[in-house]
Amino acid sequence: AQSVTQLDSHVSVSEGTPVLLRCNYSSSYSPSLFWYVQHPNKGLQLLLKYTSAATLVKGINGFEAEFKKSETSFHLTKPSAHMSDAAEYFCVVSPNNAGNMLTFGGGTRLMVKP
Amino acid sequence: GAGVSQSPSNKVTEKGKDVELRCDPISGHTALYWYRQSLGQGLEFLIYFQGNSAPDKSGLPSDRFSAERTGGSVSTLTIQRTQQEDSAVYLCASRASAGSTDTQYFGPGTRLTVL
Repeated sequence: AQSVTQLDSHVSVSEGTPVLLRCNYSSSYSPSLFWYVQHPNKGLQLLLKYTSAATLVKGINGFEAEFKKSETSFHLTKPSAHMSDAAEYFCVVSPNNAGNMLTFGGGTRLMVKP
Repeated sequence: GAGVSQSPSNKVTEKGKDVELRCDPISGHTALYWYRQSLGQGLEFLIYFQGNSAPDKSGLPSDRFSAERTGGSVSTLTIQRTQQEDSAVYLCASRASAGSTDTQYFGPGTRLTVL
């Protein structure tokens, strides 16, 4: 069994300040972990993924995430927020089995103030 | 190249009617998934197709829900006798192969509203 907890349903930052979106997971397997972003009325877009290679993963648009097995965390960060980063972000775990059905966190809505 | 496409983008129906939602995966992708995104339940897995194997239906919420995938490509999700709690965005995703670390690519979704 696997689950994902996104610790904040809403995060508000000012443009140009750092972003931190928190995610904790549990999994019976050695999972793959993903962050997806969903802009209003748009589909889910992959930001980055961890698949048991380097624990610090760099994604698109300046985002990165660090896999910490001891803390079962996969927090998403960005050094400087941009207005276009305002969206909903989903932390996702995959069991790395044949089916690979994704389990989603509840989502974090990021708001960026000018 | 073309991504995953879904149709219709929006569907409004009356309670008790049947609806069909369509998904065109990325060409050559062997794995196809349906998920549902609703206010109360978040994003949840519904059904999974891999090649010609029998689908994994473990996420379907009731026997009113069914899906098929013809010729290993296009998939149709059918909801019979729709209920108001079926209102949600239905998302389709495809994956290149059975490789466990391959990325799932999502379509834009179909927003279903049951009146």
